[in-house]
Amino acid sequence: NAGVTQTPKFQVLKTGQSMTLQCAQDMNHEYMSWYRQDPGMGLRLIHYSVGAGITDQGEVPNGYNVSRSTTEDFPLRLLSAAPSQTSVYFCATQQAGGAGVVHGYTFGSGTRLTVV
Amino acid sequence: SQQGEEDPQALSIQEGENATMNCSYKTSINNLQWYRQNSGRGLVHLILIRSNEREKHSGRLRVTLDTSKKSSSLLITASRAADTASYFCATAPTSGSARQLTFGSGTQLTVLP
Repeated sequence: NAGVTQTPKFQVLKTGQSMTLQCAQDMNHEYMSWYRQDPGMGLRLIHYSVGAGITDQGEVPNGYNVSRSTTEDFPLRLLSAAPSQTSVYFCATQQAGGAGVVHGYTFGSGTRLTVV
Repeated sequence: SQQGEEDPQALSIQEGENATMNCSYKTSINNLQWYRQNSGRGLVHLILIRSNEREKHSGRLRVTLDTSKKSSSLLITASRAADTASYFCATAPTSGSARQLTFGSGTQLTVLP
């Protein structure tokens, strides 16, 4: 049981390049989300998905696209990288609750992205 | 915009002492959660407290919630060097998607051996 797997762990991009950050989970969690973490700013929500085929925007979605074709995978695409997208990116999942039960998030180990 | 704000931003204590971190938030919540992040790692869920609860315990952790003051505190008792990490509070709203969490900027805790 690997939990939440993010690849790559590190990436350097040139301004204007595009790339996809991968997130895969093997826990059958229906909820998946992407956050970015910048120094002194905590984590900010980029996009999230409540199930396969359903995605929505978070607080800072500009410059990013997502899709959710399967329960297991939730890739994050940077369309045209900018230095402002230099950050650490985390994928997080949540198990469905029931009868008032709420679960905490399970995080991946992150992707450290530098845009030069 | 950040919902939760932790205080202090940094805290340094001796091993064996208790560590208290505070979190304030702005809008009504469904629940509040605390997470730990070791350097260079992902966040790990510690404890969740619902809006109708006032106190919760888990091992050496004690969380309190005061919805009238929109604040929460995390107490770590008998701290250990391994508790050195950043601690974040996160809130789930009562409206919209209760599954979306908004994180604060964190408290960096250093436990000196």
